[in-house]
Amino acid sequence: DTGVSQNPRHKITKRGQNVTFRCDPISEHNRLYWYRQTLGQGPEFLTYFQNEAQLEKSRLLSDRFSAERPKGSFSTLEIQRTEQGDSAMYLCASSLAGGRNYGYTFGSGTRLTVV
Amino acid sequence: AQTVTQSQPEMSVQEAETVTLSCTYDTSESDYYLFWYKQPPSRQMILVIRQEAYKQQNATENRFSVNFQKAAKSFSLKISDSQLGDAAMYFCAYRDSNSGYALNFGKGTSLLVTP
Repeated sequence: DTGVSQNPRHKITKRGQNVTFRCDPISEHNRLYWYRQTLGQGPEFLTYFQNEAQLEKSRLLSDRFSAERPKGSFSTLEIQRTEQGDSAMYLCASSLAGGRNYGYTFGSGTRLTVV
Repeated sequence: AQTVTQSQPEMSVQEAETVTLSCTYDTSESDYYLFWYKQPPSRQMILVIRQEAYKQQNATENRFSVNFQKAAKSFSLKISDSQLGDAAMYFCAYRDSNSGYALNFGKGTSLLVTP
């Protein structure tokens, strides 16, 4: 297992276009998290999945954002009608749920630039 | 929601010297976890050290140690014998019992290591 993989690494898009990012977590991890990180800030929680179920969404996740995790494996994050304010690094992390487990593995992120 | 505050946007240390990064947090929970993550430029988030709130002993990982003051809600990171490779953004994070145990990050401290 090579860790958490995110694709693409970089995405430049024109305002108003739709974009989709992919995250492949560590295979045995059943929890998957999406974060957004803007310049000079720490990552902010967007949403998380346990297996295929999306259990919580942050207020930061407007209705232009949608995330899926079909079959509890990889996840996609789609942003519709992108705005310049969506420019950020989108990070994915995975972990194994349960008890006092606290191991999180992060991907390298997808950097989105909206022009 | 729990908040994490890192009051030092930037810190500088000379190679081989010791530096301490500050972090405070706000919570009403009694059992929780705290983390320090390192994020080198354009690279993924890496776990430096973690602390369980129920443990009184401060965590130590080689040159990295923490000073955990539960009553004061303070969680500082000490880096001893600093190396050039320690230069990075350092984020303090609190593991939230809500949101599927998502991490709640501070804004980060940029650490510069000078020869």
